[in-house]
Amino acid sequence: AQSVAQPEDQVNVAEGNPLTVKCTYSVSGNPYLFWYVQYPNRGLQFLLKYITGDNLVKGSYGFEAEFNKSQTSFHLKKPSALVSDSALYFCAVRDTAYGGSQGNLIFGKGTKLSVKP
Amino acid sequence: KAGVTQTPRYLIKTRGQQVTLSCSPISGHRSVSWYQQTPGQGLQFLFEYFSETQRNKGNFPGRFSGRQFSNSRSEMNVSTLELGDSALYLCASSLDGEGPPLHFGNGTRLTVT
Repeated sequence: AQSVAQPEDQVNVAEGNPLTVKCTYSVSGNPYLFWYVQYPNRGLQFLLKYITGDNLVKGSYGFEAEFNKSQTSFHLKKPSALVSDSALYFCAVRDTAYGGSQGNLIFGKGTKLSVKP
Repeated sequence: KAGVTQTPRYLIKTRGQQVTLSCSPISGHRSVSWYQQTPGQGLQFLFEYFSETQRNKGNFPGRFSGRQFSNSRSEMNVSTLELGDSALYLCASSLDGEGPPLHFGNGTRLTVT
């Protein structure tokens, strides 16, 4: 069965410093991995995806993620954090038990990112 | 272009009642998927509809059901509400469901008392 884990409930970063939000995955076959962000009382916003290709994936708002097959990780990164990046971040993997459809995602528990001025 | 619209934004129901939530996808999108978000269980997939057909369903009891209309609008229904059904219900739409959901609504916050 597919799964993702976000080992940190919260990450605290000072504005201007680099940030990393960790995600590890467990899949059978090729992984389809995604990152989403959720601001308070809002729905999710798609940040980026890894399907195949380059291990470094660039996404929205200056975020990027590094796919590491040997470590089964897909960490989200940003070179310089902004206070406005403070939000809840979710890593997700496509549940390939349902062939064809990509609407069925399995989400991690989420990591709350707090960026202080 | 209007985003994904979910109505109502907030609902308060009592145990045993039933509730219907609505989701209007982005114009032209034919795939709608639903998720339940709770503090304890996190985000869980409920079901996905494409062209009025349910393509797959998550691991939820039969009290949770949904449908999609010819204009791609979708509804989900929860019957015989339980306290544990209190959650934020999110809807997402995509053009054809062949990629990850890109556009989510702001959700319906359901409170069961």
